Amino acid sequence: QLQLQESGPGLVKPSETLSLTCTVSGGSISDSTYFWGWIRQPPGKGLEWIGSIYYSGSPDYNPSLTSRVTISVDTSKNQFSLKLSSVTAADTAVYYCARHLGSWSYYFDCWGQGKLVTVSS
Amino acid sequence: DIQMTQSPSPLSASVGDRVTITCRASQTISTYLNWYQQKPGKAPKLLIYAASSLHSGVPSRFSGSASGTDFTLSISSLQPEDFATYYCQQTYSTPYTFGQGTKLEIK
Repeated sequence: QLQLQESGPGLVKPSETLSLTCTVSGGSISDSTYFWGWIRQPPGKGLEWIGSIYYSGSPDYNPSLTSRVTISVDTSKNQFSLKLSSVTAADTAVYYCARHLGSWSYYFDCWGQGKLVTVSS
Repeated sequence: DIQMTQSPSPLSASVGDRVTITCRASQTISTYLNWYQQKPGKAPKLLIYAASSLHSGVPSRFSGSASGTDFTLSISSLQPEDFATYYCQQTYSTPYTFGQGTKLEIK
């Protein structure tokens, strides 16, 4: 059974870079059927797609974040990662990694449990 | 960006009721519309994809439909475990966008 698990610091200082890793188990990140994405949810608010990546690279980012975000993949470790630079309090959120179909409906069918990241000095 | 607008929010209902949640897209998205259920402190779970296809393992009391840019999620007979927040999502084009959520509350 596929599982995704986010890891990384839960507290980041303003102006620094948020870094999270998603480890995929029970399946291969190199499965050509899927993309791998990041979604965030500020406390008490809705969901925002950050970006997605295919196992071979070529990330796609939300234009609202594209100047600050980098998503990369490491197939040897079955992991993909998120970096968000120059963070502010507005970036405080639960960050989810998820798998989504790479064609047709592109639905997100498997999610990690989420990682709360707080931006504070 | 494509805007997704959900209604109503919140929605109060009782166990056994039939409820409908609506999601409207700001432009055509064909049937690239998915529905998720989220409970407090948990990740969203996929319920419906491609507007009307039931995801594996989801009870048949959940159903989805589409008419132009309007989409509905229906629950035929509410169970206690259905009280949660529901989100629609368009995957017609990036950036993928979600509705603001509909919190289904116990009346």
